[in-house]
Amino acid sequence: DSGVTQTPKHLITATGQRVTLRCSPRSGDLSVYWYQQSLDQGLQFLIQYYNGEERAKGNILERFSAQQFPDLHSELNLSSLELGDSALYFCASSTGTSEYNEQFFGPGTRLTVL
Amino acid sequence: KNEVEQSPQNLTAQEGEFITINCSYSVGISALHWLQQHPGGGIVSLFMLSSGKKKHGRLIATINIQEKHSSLHITASHPRDSAVYICAVRSPDMRFGAGTRLTVKP
Repeated sequence: DSGVTQTPKHLITATGQRVTLRCSPRSGDLSVYWYQQSLDQGLQFLIQYYNGEERAKGNILERFSAQQFPDLHSELNLSSLELGDSALYFCASSTGTSEYNEQFFGPGTRLTVL
Repeated sequence: KNEVEQSPQNLTAQEGEFITINCSYSVGISALHWLQQHPGGGIVSLFMLSSGKKKHGRLIATINIQEKHSSLHITASHPRDSAVYICAVRSPDMRFGAGTRLTVKP
């Protein structure tokens, strides 16, 4: 158990809908990272937050947004869902922003868009 | 060409065999990670390397910065080692290889 929690575990929804994925980092970790793992693209970095502020952005679509709250939990919002958004979404946390900080991964949320 | 290349894509071994998984990258990096993804989907960080070699139990990871190459070795492999092993580099964001699917047969 990494100490990172994600909810829900599974999510099934329809095209055009909007969903919110939630992540709680390990106690004491200030950085949260979001990743997408799809069958065709593999694992991709989406976005990073540190202590409530956006820190880095990767291959995140404009239809997706995220935020980190004062209690350090983070939410990833996916809107106008398309079939291709079906994927495993992971969050990870680390203590700080250093590239040498180890990241601890949550169990993931499996999103299926029908 | 992907920035992070792993080989082989798939690997089947008999229990007890010595296993090597390779990772080559084409970008400047600050650190390289080896991750293990279990059949259920969960990801565990095995190693983070910026130079040299690290060992944890039966797992050994090495990195050659000049050659832009890393290897993950598993000694005395066991069926419970069956998983997907993913190489990832910080450049500065995390960039991932496609993974190596390892199956260890009893």
